[in-house]
Amino acid sequence: DVKVTQSSRYLVKRTGEKVFLECVQDMDHENMFWYRQDPGLGLRLIYFSYDVKMKEKGDIPEGYSVSREKKERFSLILESASTNQTSMYLCASSPGLRAAGYTFGSGTRLTVV
Amino acid sequence: GENVEQHPSTLSVQEGDSAVIKCTYSDSASNYFPWYKQELGKRPQLIIDIRSNVGEKKDQRIAVTLNKTAKHFSLHITETQPEDSAVYFCAARGLEYGNKLVFGAGTILRVKS
Repeated sequence: DVKVTQSSRYLVKRTGEKVFLECVQDMDHENMFWYRQDPGLGLRLIYFSYDVKMKEKGDIPEGYSVSREKKERFSLILESASTNQTSMYLCASSPGLRAAGYTFGSGTRLTVV
Repeated sequence: GENVEQHPSTLSVQEGDSAVIKCTYSDSASNYFPWYKQELGKRPQLIIDIRSNVGEKKDQRIAVTLNKTAKHFSLHITETQPEDSAVYFCAARGLEYGNKLVFGAGTILRVKS
């Protein structure tokens, strides 16, 4: 019963390409998040959204943007992919500001060559 | 902002032994502390959580303790089994960081049989 779905499991893109990572949740959650996961660095927050059309920068937003046109969908955009953006990208959602825990997607492993 | 430190970064135990992972946080207003388990190639999944009004919580072989005065919390796994091998992340949510979760860097737990 997958509840947070990331559109691609593996992705290979060329330097300079515009890359879209899609995340869809079917739990009617208000909050959605994008993290990148790198060995030894844990989970670092890129962007998050508390509502439709709302977005906030996380800790490492440089080189990324996001879009949330519908409540269930949160897209991460790499405007011009670079090799240092090669990483595992995890999407997560939660039901409210003070609610418990996140539900994560399975992740997208992006390689930029 | 909130900072969460997690130790150790790697932990090897013999099957049947106990494992303890510790985290400290900086925001004294933090009120929610979840633990996530990420098996190889899979998404992080919530395994246990604790709120600031509780000192300890147990669920079968896992338990979490919270010391608000010292601002640290710990995950305890008893009678470890090979399937406990995974990366474990602690997290904290506090008012200082806009109610988002801040994650520790993770602990790689290896259970040797």
